[in-house]
Amino acid sequence: QKEVEQNSGPLSVPEGAIASLNCTYSDRGSQSFFWYRQYSGKSPELIMSIYSNGDKEDGRFTAQLNKASQYVSLLIRDSQPSDSATYLCAVAGYNQGGKLIFGQGTELSVKP
Amino acid sequence: GAGVSQTPSNKVTEKGKYVELRCDPISGHTALYWYRQSLGQGPEFLIYFQGTGAADDSGLPNDRFFAVRPEGSVSTLKIQRTERGDSAVYLCASSLGDTQYFGPGTRLTVL
Repeated sequence: QKEVEQNSGPLSVPEGAIASLNCTYSDRGSQSFFWYRQYSGKSPELIMSIYSNGDKEDGRFTAQLNKASQYVSLLIRDSQPSDSATYLCAVAGYNQGGKLIFGQGTELSVKP
Repeated sequence: GAGVSQTPSNKVTEKGKYVELRCDPISGHTALYWYRQSLGQGPEFLIYFQGTGAADDSGLPNDRFFAVRPEGSVSTLKIQRTERGDSAVYLCASSLGDTQYFGPGTRLTVL
């Protein structure tokens, strides 16, 4: 079992729709959770971090964390073609010095 | 301010050769991380520095890989006797807190 799992996609949504990206993790001691966006040929850039159970909203993005289910998700509202990218879920464990374990990424395609 | 920089951006080498990849972190960031990303995969942790010391090198695949950060700023990842399987994008990230900022990466191709 991989430590952090994501559906590889591609996930295709029409412009203006909600895109839902999911991630599960195996280490119950994980403390910090991140969503990175990576455009083709570019490096990852942080879009959301979440540390507590529940929802965290930032503009069109909402991260959701459920530690009991070991599940974290990212919702993108009013999806735009510019949101087309690979979304990487990353998890940091307790006392791990910030070492990130990444999922394989979900490719999102937003169609005009 | 300036972000994380990495040089070279591309490196092509022959099997068996030695390579060095350089990372210049954001000024003042005490933590520095190296990751490796293969096509279609997420980044894979290699090593983490806090200051000058390697706090966690558990991700280095074998003893052909070594990294240093002698003055607590610039870091060099060194790969000896390169193999075709080492071909990947090598990413460096730095942080002051929880947020890691990634450099543009070095694409290493071993022929």
